[in-house]
Amino acid sequence: DGGITQSPKYLFRKEGQNVTLSCEQNLNHDAMYWYRQDPGQGLRLIYYSQIVNDFQKGDIAEGYSVSREKKESFPLTVTSAQKNPTAFYLCASSMQGGIEKLFFGSGTQLSVL
Amino acid sequence: GENVEQHPSTLSVQEGDSAVIKCTYSDSASNYFPWYKQELGKGPQLIIDIRSNVGEKKDQRIAVTLNKTAKHFSLHITETQPEDSAVYFCAASIEAGTALIFGKGTTLSVSS
Repeated sequence: DGGITQSPKYLFRKEGQNVTLSCEQNLNHDAMYWYRQDPGQGLRLIYYSQIVNDFQKGDIAEGYSVSREKKESFPLTVTSAQKNPTAFYLCASSMQGGIEKLFFGSGTQLSVL
Repeated sequence: GENVEQHPSTLSVQEGDSAVIKCTYSDSASNYFPWYKQELGKGPQLIIDIRSNVGEKKDQRIAVTLNKTAKHFSLHITETQPEDSAVYFCAASIEAGTALIFGKGTTLSVSS
C-alpha cells in the first residue's frame, strides 16, 4: 500500500540534544512538508521541499533543519536551538506543491525530558 | 504572506443538526481552499476542496462555499453524526510551488 510513514510515534529529547524525526513516502510525490501542531495553534509550516536537494523555510523554521537527499525521504532535525520543541509533528506530501491534496503521516509526538 | 482565520474554535451540535465553520484569508491571490478533518492521534485527511473558479462544491453531507470578493469560505455539514466529531482545518494557498497555510482549527462535537 502506498502511503507516508513517520517514525518514531513518540520521541523524548534531553536538554541540549538534537533529535531527528523520520518521514518516508512511497507515493512518488515531488513535494514534502513538515508542520508543527500545538493545541489551539493549528498547523504551522516549518519547512517544505518541492524537489530533491531543494527546500524552503516556512513560518517557524528557527531551531529546525531538514535535508532532501532522496525523493522518498524528508527528515526533520530538531536542534538544541529550538527552546520549546514539545509538540506534535506532522509530515505530508503532495504530487505538486501548493495546489494539490496533501497526504499526512500519523505524526510524531516530541516531548522534552 | 497569507494568513487564514478560522471560527469558531469549538462547536457543539446535536446529532442531525447542521454545522458551519467559517474561514477568512488575507491574500486575494489565493486560489485553492481545502478542508481537512483530523481525528484524535491521527494526521489530517482531506474531506473537500474548492478552487477559485468555483463558488460552491458539494459531496454528500458536506459542502463548501467560496466568496472571493469577501475573501471567505465556509464548510457546511448537514445531518451531523457522532462520527463527524473531530478537529476541522481550513487552508489556503496561492499557487503551485508554495505550501498550504492552515487556520487554527475547529473542534466539532456531535452529541447523540
